[in-house]
Amino acid sequence: GAGVSQSPSNKVTEKGKDVELRCDPISGHTALYWYRQSLGQGLEFLIYFQGNSAPDKSGLPSDRFSAERTGGSVSTLTIQRTQQEDSAVYLCASSLVAKREAEQYFGPGTRLTVT
Amino acid sequence: TQLLEQSPQFLSIQEGENLTVYCNSSSVFSSLQWYRQEPGEGPVLLVTVVTGGEVKKLKRLTFQFGDARKDSSLHITAAQPGDTGLYLCAGNQFYFGTGTSLTVIP
Repeated sequence: GAGVSQSPSNKVTEKGKDVELRCDPISGHTALYWYRQSLGQGLEFLIYFQGNSAPDKSGLPSDRFSAERTGGSVSTLTIQRTQQEDSAVYLCASSLVAKREAEQYFGPGTRLTVT
Repeated sequence: TQLLEQSPQFLSIQEGENLTVYCNSSSVFSSLQWYRQEPGEGPVLLVTVVTGGEVKKLKRLTFQFGDARKDSSLHITAAQPGDTGLYLCAGNQFYFGTGTSLTVIP
């Protein structure tokens, strides 16, 4: 079946512009996660959704970052007034349920470059 | 923030050699997962361990969860070029380690 998809795969934007990153999870997965990864580094947790609700927003780096999920499916991560330090690969994952031992299925990521 | 430190950060070995990657923290985790990530792709789950002292084997890979559930190790026997990638540990699902980049030279 179809895996997690993300769009765009690459995004180059100018400093100060807003960007929207999209994630389509695996059908039927109730939990959805966003992470950020700098080149060759570990993943930094941003936010997760259980259904359309975000119980844990603690990882969002600043108030320029926001995310929403609609219909228990597609999620959008929005970064306003982008800065150069926002440049990274943004990864989305989904899991059947939001349990600590649940397997997360990751998308290929969106590579964001802020010039 | 629950930090997970991985060591070594980089590892380059010859095909056929054995290696161990470590994942350490001062925090206790109820679960710990290991993922492997290849360039341009998202991480793929290798194993989940939930019990202190637990050992799991996946072909040539052996995973161990520390008795105190603060650390874990991944041992690869007779490494192959297909094992090349970034190995990541993750505690309680969200907290990822710093990563170990493994290169196996044919």
